[in-house]
Amino acid sequence: KQEVTQIPAALSVPEGENLVLNCSFTDSAIYNLQWFRQDPGKGLTSLLLIQSSQREQTSGRLNASLDKSSGRSTLYIAASQPGDSATYLCAVRVLQGAQKLVFGQGTRLTINP
Amino acid sequence: NAGVTQTPKFRVLKTGQSMTLLCAQDMNHEYMYWYRQDPGMGLRLIHYSVGEGTTAKGEVPDGYNVSRLKKQNFLLGLESAAPSQTSVYFCASSYDGQYGYTFGSGTRLTVV
Repeated sequence: KQEVTQIPAALSVPEGENLVLNCSFTDSAIYNLQWFRQDPGKGLTSLLLIQSSQREQTSGRLNASLDKSSGRSTLYIAASQPGDSATYLCAVRVLQGAQKLVFGQGTRLTINP
Repeated sequence: NAGVTQTPKFRVLKTGQSMTLLCAQDMNHEYMYWYRQDPGMGLRLIHYSVGEGTTAKGEVPDGYNVSRLKKQNFLLGLESAAPSQTSVYFCASSYDGQYGYTFGSGTRLTVV
């Protein structure tokens, strides 16, 4: 059974710092990995999608990497801003069955001005 | 705007009442999913559909039923609501396994 873990559960950093969020998964048989952002009381916004054959994806100040063999992904946020404060979720899409998404518990990020 | 629309956004039910949550997508996606999100539990899959007329159980299907009579709509029903079903419900859709998911904004359900 696929399990996804995100460390740390919460992170607080001063504005301007570069930071890394971690995601690990137990089964490398995945279609892709997706990073989401969730603001309090809101839905999930897709940030980056990495296909299983890819190593990384970039969007603006965000860069996500994928190492399928070791079951790890990182989300790198450059020059953090208070507006980046949110919960970040990673999810892997499993290959079997409905190819469902399996989510980590998320990292709650706070950027202090 | 194209996307996934959930109705209603908020609802309070009494124990034993029934209700239906509606999810609509206008992206011609084949796959649709219902998740629930609870503190400390993350998102868990309730039911899903891989095409019009198909449905299947996810991780936590008990107490819920679903229907996908039209490709663009996926309905989640609670026949007899229980306090344990107090949660935030998210619908999502995807074109196929190669693509990512698009999520709706959620329905916050409280059962008293």
